[in-house]
Amino acid sequence: NAGVMQNPRHLVRRRGQEARLRCSPMKGHSHVYWYRQLPEEGLKFMVYLQKENIIDESGMPKERFSAEFPKEGPSILRIQQVVRGDSAAYFCASSQLQTWGNQPQHFGDGTRLSIL
Amino acid sequence: SQELEQSPQSLIVQEGKNLTINCTSSKTLYGLYWYKQKYGEGLIFLMMLQKGGEEKSHEKITAKLDEKKQQSSLHITASQPSHAGIYLCGAVLSYGGSQGNLIFGKGTKLSVKP
Repeated sequence: NAGVMQNPRHLVRRRGQEARLRCSPMKGHSHVYWYRQLPEEGLKFMVYLQKENIIDESGMPKERFSAEFPKEGPSILRIQQVVRGDSAAYFCASSQLQTWGNQPQHFGDGTRLSIL
Repeated sequence: SQELEQSPQSLIVQEGKNLTINCTSSKTLYGLYWYKQKYGEGLIFLMMLQKGGEEKSHEKITAKLDEKKQQSSLHITASQPSHAGIYLCGAVLSYGGSQGNLIFGKGTKLSVKP
């Protein structure tokens, strides 16, 4: 009964490189959410996806960040031309149905991104 | 300003003592979620509250949502070192549309002294 799987757990990139973070939701879950946790700050919503669709990307930075959840395979959060300020823990969560206060979101262990 | 305020920010208690953590919003909480996070790890789902006045318990942890659905409390009875960690409240603050994201408080860091 696997939970939400994220990989890698730790990722080190140099400034200007690309970072790809992967998330496989819990079995039976078709809703995926990405959050970012900056040092000393709370969790902030980034993007909400269903299979092949971006439902809400109101929390995504306008540039360099993109997300997808293809029909087959994991959801991918992609950060192009990384900068030091992108260093953070990135968490993925999934739910069976859309979360409107009646569905828990289950979280993965996160990917800790460090930019050199 | 923070949409969800948690208090206290940090808490140190002696093992065996009771404690309460609060989560407050100026907006209606359509769903209130409590999570626990250990340093360097993911969030563990504890409980979900939906209805005003609702109360749920799991082992020694009890969570309540007030009648107005603007405040929730998490109470731990007879704390143990295994309860140590960061407790986060998350909530849905708007209903309907395409939004499904949770707004989180900044967390309460709990340390339990043996």
